[in-house]
Amino acid sequence: DTAVSQTPKYLVTQMGNDKSIKCEQNLGHDTMYWYKQDSKKFLKIMFSYNNKELIINETVPNRFSPKSPDKAHLNLHINSLELGDSAVYFCASSQEGAGALDAFFGQGTRLTVV
Amino acid sequence: KNEVEQSPQNLTAQEGEFITINCSYSVGISALHWLQQHPGGGIVSLFMLSSGKKKHGRLIATINIQEKHSSLHITASHPRDSAVYICAGRFAGAQKLVFGQGTRLTINP
Repeated sequence: DTAVSQTPKYLVTQMGNDKSIKCEQNLGHDTMYWYKQDSKKFLKIMFSYNNKELIINETVPNRFSPKSPDKAHLNLHINSLELGDSAVYFCASSQEGAGALDAFFGQGTRLTVV
Repeated sequence: KNEVEQSPQNLTAQEGEFITINCSYSVGISALHWLQQHPGGGIVSLFMLSSGKKKHGRLIATINIQEKHSSLHITASHPRDSAVYICAGRFAGAQKLVFGQGTRLTINP
């Protein structure tokens, strides 16, 4: 049973399009994240939500808008896609609290903008 | 300069060798994670530690708070250990991970 699941796994789209990536976790965690992995495999945080509230927004263009309808879901919507948005996007979750900080990652979504 | 630095960036070894990957970090880390990313792309958390040492199978992770340094060791390495290993620091008060640049490990049979 998948703990953190993302869809789609692969996404190829044209510049200028709007697309969404969905993420769901069934671990009961309070906190969810979006990370971006660039072509050099370097991971960097984009957003963090705790109980549906935005906590972290790391200088991400406002074309990127996260949406958390409930604490088990954190979707990422991207407007007006650009070539530089091509990357692998990882969703993750963790339970913030004493001794329970381990992170669980989704399988990643490889976004290619052409 | 990144707050979390790993070395080496690439490591190639023969099956059976003892492997060490190093991670150094700036002040203020409350916990350090070691992650594994296989060629298929998925990321798995191997360890989370804030002090001392943890062991899981052939994998051992240590952290030295005073020296701001952590190591990941693999004993009796195997080709299936080939992956990118990433250390990530969780900074005190911050609900995010800051990642090292990763170490690409290749174990040849």
